[in-house]
Amino acid sequence: EAQVTQNPRYLITVTGKKLTVTCSQNMNHEYMSWYRQDPGLGLRQIYYSMNVEVTDKGDVPEGYKVSRKEKRNFPLILESPSPNQTSLYFCASSLTRVGEQYFGPGTRLTVT
Amino acid sequence: DAKTTQPTSMDCAEGRAANLPCNHSTISGNEYVYWYRQIHSQGPQYIIHGLKNNETNEMASLIITEDRKSSTLILPHATLRDTAVYYCIVSFFNRDDKIIFGKGTRLHILP
Repeated sequence: EAQVTQNPRYLITVTGKKLTVTCSQNMNHEYMSWYRQDPGLGLRQIYYSMNVEVTDKGDVPEGYKVSRKEKRNFPLILESPSPNQTSLYFCASSLTRVGEQYFGPGTRLTVT
Repeated sequence: DAKTTQPTSMDCAEGRAANLPCNHSTISGNEYVYWYRQIHSQGPQYIIHGLKNNETNEMASLIITEDRKSSTLILPHATLRDTAVYYCIVSFFNRDDKIIFGKGTRLHILP
């Protein structure tokens, strides 16, 4: 089954404790991206990757890092999480840059 | 800022056609119009996209005006399961640029 998986689905952590949210897709897609979703602000793109070893900033990249060492994986790294990064995070992949993106189920992160 | 403007919310009776408008008056010649929807807090789901011509698939129809400054997503026979937030996105197909979803339209299907 074609899918995008994210782990963990739920995470509660404390300020400053490094964490990684994994994202993996099994569709051989070149394009992958991360979004965060906050009430009243909609979906905002954090980082995206056009291919292996190619990443670029989206709309809200501050406080996040990403890497794309393999085509199927695109982890999101929070080196020093802060409470304002409490959010719902989605990973997405697609053959081309925009359409038809497949989204993962989401990771709900709480930073206290 | 989003390149599109959508109404904040809309209601539609179950079984009727739901027509969701989107304004993209600054769209350029090579930008596509994409529609996604998000049911509750699930990951967004792709619906349809188009450049100039009207498009139809098993989920919906997309009507783009001749000047391409606006479009309408049509769900022909809305059901309760179509209750969701619908996002209209304008973007180049393969250029290195940010993708901006905007806040979308919250569609309520009324029984």
